[in-house]
Amino acid sequence: AQSVAQPEDQVNVAEGNPLTVKCTYSVSGNPYLFWYVQYPNRGLQFLLKYITGDNLVKGSYGFEAEFNKSQTSFHLKKPSALVSDSALYFCAVPAGTALIFGKGTTLSVSS
Amino acid sequence: ETGVTQTPRHLVMGMTNKKSLKCEQHLGHNAMYWYKQSAKKPLELMFVYSLEERVENNSVPSRFSPECPNSSHLFLHLHTLQPEDSALYLCASSHRGRNTEAFFGQGTRLTVV
Repeated sequence: AQSVAQPEDQVNVAEGNPLTVKCTYSVSGNPYLFWYVQYPNRGLQFLLKYITGDNLVKGSYGFEAEFNKSQTSFHLKKPSALVSDSALYFCAVPAGTALIFGKGTTLSVSS
Repeated sequence: ETGVTQTPRHLVMGMTNKKSLKCEQHLGHNAMYWYKQSAKKPLELMFVYSLEERVENNSVPSRFSPECPNSSHLFLHLHTLQPEDSALYLCASSHRGRNTEAFFGQGTRLTVV
């Protein structure tokens, strides 16, 4: 079965510092991997996806993610965090005809 | 705006009421989804429609009844709900295919009293 895991419930970083939100995956076949962000009382917004090709994927709002096949990971990164990046982040993988999501990681960026 | 609109944004209903949630997408997608997001729980996939045909129903109680009259509209009909059904209900749409991202509406915050 396809699945993703987000091992951290919460990540805290100071503004201006680099941030990493972790995701590991378990899939059969070629992995397609996604990251989404959710602000309070809003729907999920697509950030980026890995399909094939370069292991470093660039997305919206300055985010990027690194695909690592040997570690079965797809961590979300940003070189310099902003307070406005504080939100709930989900990684996802297709299963059947829909995406299934990790439990989510709350990112808190302090000023 | 993502091109997926959900109405109403907030809904309070009694356990004996009947109500419907509406979702509309203007993105030309051919697949639509209902997800449930409860506090402290992972996102739960409820229903999947592909080319207006229901292709997945993940053991959802019959008090939730989806309807997809065309590729742009999706409904979730609710009746005799329980307080534990209170949650944020999210609609999404996408092109069919494993490598395509889904676009989400802003959700309907449902409270069952």
